[in-house]
Amino acid sequence: GENVEQHPSTLSVQEGDSAVIKCTYSDSASNYFPWYKQELGKGPQLIIDIRSNVGEKKDQRIAVTLNKTAKHFSLHITETQPEDSAVYFCAATDTGFQKLVFGTGTRLLVSP
Amino acid sequence: DTEVTQTPKHLVMGMTNKKSLKCEQHMGHRAMYWYKQKAKKPPELMFVYSYEKLSINESVPSRFSPECPNSSLLNLHLHALQPEDSALYLCASSQDRVNGYTFGSGTRLTVV
Repeated sequence: GENVEQHPSTLSVQEGDSAVIKCTYSDSASNYFPWYKQELGKGPQLIIDIRSNVGEKKDQRIAVTLNKTAKHFSLHITETQPEDSAVYFCAATDTGFQKLVFGTGTRLLVSP
Repeated sequence: DTEVTQTPKHLVMGMTNKKSLKCEQHMGHRAMYWYKQKAKKPPELMFVYSYEKLSINESVPSRFSPECPNSSLLNLHLHALQPEDSALYLCASSQDRVNGYTFGSGTRLTVV
């Protein structure tokens, strides 16, 4: 089945800096890669996703890139703000079992 | 309506109690999920319902019993839980089995 690794586990940046979170996956047939943001006491919220036929996708300050050959994808947050502080999870499809497999999470802390 | 609503938000139950968690969505999604999340860990899939039929049971103990009365509702019946079952229980829904999950805010369960 699919295995997703996520790095780093924690990331501290200053407000205004960029943040990058990286994930690798094992199932070469995976075709959907969402990113979720989870704030304290809340459920995960989908912030951006990318499909395997696209190399990059942007939405204002966030972007996701996908390298199918290397089987890795990354979340990029520019001009970080304190409200970006949260835990971020990447995920990938397990095509055999038709479910999402989550990475282990990255705790992002943006200091003012 | 673009939300998944979970009730109750908090639940404390004894090991001999029977309780139920409820989840509701009105987005017309045909796949619904129960996840368990321990502190500082990613969501862990428990059950998947697709078109109101149970399609995945991730070897969950029988003290957890899911039910999907109709396409908008998902219940999780709890009986004879253990303290280690204390966690955040998340419900999610999606248009199909893997794309664009929407999570609820979860039920924080404490077993005493």
